Amino acid sequence: EAGVAQSPRYKIIEKRQSVAFWCNPISGHATLYWYQQILGQGPKLLIQFQNNGVVDDSQLPKDRFSAERLKGVDSTLKIQPAKLEDSAVYLCASSLKRVRDRGSGDGYEQYFGPGTRLTVT
Amino acid sequence: EDKVVQSPLSLVVHEGDTVTLNCSYEVTNFRSLLWYKQEKKAPTFLFMLTSSGIEKKSGRLSSILDKKELFSILNITATQTGDSAVYLCAVDSMNRDDKIIFGKGTRLHILP
Repeated sequence: EAGVAQSPRYKIIEKRQSVAFWCNPISGHATLYWYQQILGQGPKLLIQFQNNGVVDDSQLPKDRFSAERLKGVDSTLKIQPAKLEDSAVYLCASSLKRVRDRGSGDGYEQYFGPGTRLTVT
Repeated sequence: EDKVVQSPLSLVVHEGDTVTLNCSYEVTNFRSLLWYKQEKKAPTFLFMLTSSGIEKKSGRLSSILDKKELFSILNITATQTGDSAVYLCAVDSMNRDDKIIFGKGTRLHILP
């Protein structure tokens, strides 16, 4: 099966500019995650969608970051305006987890895309 | 606050050695614990553990979960230079927000 697709793979922008990342999850995966991974740290969840609804965006800096998954399939993450501290790898992941599975003891594997390395200068 | 703590943060060993990586967690409504290997960019899945005491094994890698003591270990035997990577532990919860929390990872370097 095709994996999680992300683009672009690399992006260099100046601070205060805008940038957008795109992610296409594995077909049929209801849940989509955006993570920010700063060098030397584990991935930090920015936002989680189930279908086209937001499940968790508590760690998303909403003054500058926005994300959407309008049709419940692919998703975009935007930063406007970018700051130096936004330099990181932005990872998209998807899983089969669904809202009705909440409370289930079954685990769900996340599949990650290749990531986008953002450098803000 | 839910958290996942991995140790050590970094480890350097010689090829052929056996290593044990640790992951402890404090998460309400635990669902599963996942191990990933991250070499360059995207983490790749290694194991998912949901039950205590059942070892998962894949080649030279194995992992086990202790839900009473809230930790997991990842063992790699007869290490090879290709095992050099960051190993990430993540815990999935059944909380209302269905959050998955990652540890900071253990950076493993295998010397030839």
